[in-house]
Amino acid sequence: QKEVEQDPGPLSVPEGAIVSLNCTYSNSAFQYFMWYRQYSRKGPELLMYTYSSGNKEDGRFTAQVDKSSKYISLFIRDSQPSDSATYLCAMSEMNNDMRFGAGTRLTVKP
Amino acid sequence: DTGVSQDPRHKITKRGQNVTFRCDPISEHNRLYWYRQTLGQGPEFLTYFQNEAQLEKSRLLSDRFSAERPKGSFSTLEIQRTEQGDSAMYLCASSQQGGNTEAFFGQGTRLTVV
Repeated sequence: QKEVEQDPGPLSVPEGAIVSLNCTYSNSAFQYFMWYRQYSRKGPELLMYTYSSGNKEDGRFTAQVDKSSKYISLFIRDSQPSDSATYLCAMSEMNNDMRFGAGTRLTVKP
Repeated sequence: DTGVSQDPRHKITKRGQNVTFRCDPISEHNRLYWYRQTLGQGPEFLTYFQNEAQLEKSRLLSDRFSAERPKGSFSTLEIQRTEQGDSAMYLCASSQQGGNTEAFFGQGTRLTVV
């Protein structure tokens, strides 16, 4: 079993839809949770960063962490074609290396 | 541009040759990470530095791979005797030490071994 599990998709939604992306993990020591967006042949771009459990909102993006269930989510409201990318979840223990999911490929159709 | 910079962006090499990549982190960041990413997969951790000290190395990092960060600024990743399985995107990221672990990535170096 991988430390971080993420459904690779692909996921296709119409413009304006609410997108839900999820990851599960097995290491209860993870405390820092991140979502990165990666366009084709580019480096990952940090979208959201959360410490421990709870919700965090930034514009159209909301990140949720449920440590009791070892489950994290990213919601994208009013999705746009420019949101089409691969979304990577990542997590780490105290200030050390991040473990990534495989990434979910999202396409938002106009 | 004050982001993480990687050079070169692309490298094609013949099997058996040595290659070296460079990463310049965000200037105030004292942590630097190297990751490898293959098609359809998330980045896999290779190694990280705090200042000039290499604090952790993944078991993925064979003895053909070596990384340095002299003076705690830029870092180099060298692969000796390249193999076709080394073909991947090599990503560098940097962050500040402390409670905040937000790490920012460069654009990566895409290596193709032929």
